Amino acid sequence: EPEVTQTPSHQVTQMGQEVILRCVPISNHLYFYWYRQILGQKVEFLVSFYNNEISEKSEIFDDQFSVERPDGSNFTLKIRSTKLEDSAMYFCASIRSGGLGETQYFGPGTRLLVL
Amino acid sequence: SQKIEQNSEALNIQEGKTATLTCNYTNYSPAYLQWYRQDPGRGPVFLLLIRENEKEKRKERLKVTFDTTLKQSLFHITASQPADSATYLCARPQRASKIIFGSGTRLSIRP
Repeated sequence: EPEVTQTPSHQVTQMGQEVILRCVPISNHLYFYWYRQILGQKVEFLVSFYNNEISEKSEIFDDQFSVERPDGSNFTLKIRSTKLEDSAMYFCASIRSGGLGETQYFGPGTRLLVL
Repeated sequence: SQKIEQNSEALNIQEGKTATLTCNYTNYSPAYLQWYRQDPGRGPVFLLLIRENEKEKRKERLKVTFDTTLKQSLFHITASQPADSATYLCARPQRASKIIFGSGTRLSIRP
């Protein structure tokens, strides 16, 4: 069965450093998402991406965050200057056509720890 | 504001019993509700989707109901097994954009 993959599985960084989290969505999917989950809290939407542009972003997704699809397969989330509160699990997800009845597939996540 | 809530943080039941988890929504009427399973340190895994015009949906030992009068969805696991132990998330999909998740219920099935 096709799956969303994410790298790295774990990332430790110093506050103020830039990090790039990578995702490979399912190949024929058109809509891509990033979510985050702070330890013990709910999964929260960050941003959605379609047709090479952001279609929606949450209030969490401020100027420190950016997303990119640099080639036909990768989808990246960049945090320019990490803060302690950015420590969380980050999940990438994809969906084929954006319909409400479709299954959204999540990756295994990247655990980011900011020291 | 529109909310999706899972009021039980945790549920512990005996193996073989039916687990019932509750999801309530306020201030809106979702056309769809979804249920996901999340294991520790892993991403959510889609289980079932139910539409507002469907009263019930089944998949193997799983059953979901949708009561638009009570503004509630119930998620049942029959003949529960220790392997069913996980956090179960109720969620509301929005068209082409995002999923709003509830806070989840941590289910523990004891042998």
